Amino acid sequence: GAGVSQSPSNKVTEKGKDVELRCDPISGHTALYWYRQSLGQGLEFLIYFQGNSAPDKSGLPSDRFSAERTGGSVSTLTIQRTQQEDSAVYLCASSLVHGGDSPLHFGNGTRLTVT
Amino acid sequence: DQQVKQNSPSLSVQEGRISILNCDYTNSMFDYFLWYKKYPAEGPTFLISISSIKDKNEDGRFTVFLNKSAKHLSLHIVPSQPGDSAVYFCAASHSGTYKYIFGTGTRLKVLA
Repeated sequence: GAGVSQSPSNKVTEKGKDVELRCDPISGHTALYWYRQSLGQGLEFLIYFQGNSAPDKSGLPSDRFSAERTGGSVSTLTIQRTQQEDSAVYLCASSLVHGGDSPLHFGNGTRLTVT
Repeated sequence: DQQVKQNSPSLSVQEGRISILNCDYTNSMFDYFLWYKKYPAEGPTFLISISSIKDKNEDGRFTVFLNKSAKHLSLHIVPSQPGDSAVYFCAASHSGTYKYIFGTGTRLKVLA
C-alpha cells in the first residue's frame, strides 16, 4: 500500500513479557518517527531515525524501550518486561525529509494493552 | 513543560457554522506548524501547515492563522460538516531540529 503500515493493530500482553511492534514506512521516506498516545494524552515523541544517522532516542521513557531500523526502511520498537503504564497506542510516522516543510504521515498505530 | 498547548479539550459546533480550534506555543524558535485530524482507531491525518514567514494559509474549507507575537495559531473550518467530527492536534517544530511537538488535542463535534 501507499501509506505507513503498522503491525499488529492490537496487542494484549501480560505484565513482564516482551513485545515487538513493527512499522513499514512509505517507500522513499528517509525519516521515521515513533510516538505514543496514552489515554487522554497528546502524542509523545519516542525516537527518530534519519537515513543512516544515529537515531535520536531522547524520548524513550526507559531502557526497557529500544528501536531499530533495518536497511533504512522497516522499523521495530521493542518493549522489554512490559508494565501496565506502557499501555498506549504506539504510532509510527514517516516523512520525505527531516524537519522543515515536510509533514509526518502516520500509520494507524498499535494499541498495546498490558494486563 | 508543555511547549504546545491546546487548552480546549472539546468543542461543539452546529453544522454549517465556523469551527475555530486554538493552539498556543511557548518556544519562539518554532517556525513550522501543522494541524492533524484523528478519527478513532486511525492514525492522525495531515490537514494543513503554515510556516512562520506567513500569517495565513488556506486550503478549501480549512484556514490556519498564525500570530507570532502572541505565539498563537488557530484552525478555522468553514462550513463545518458532521464528517469533521474528530480530534484535532496542532504540532510545531523548528528548522534546527526534526522533532514535532504535539498538543493534547481538541475533540470537535459537529452537530447535524
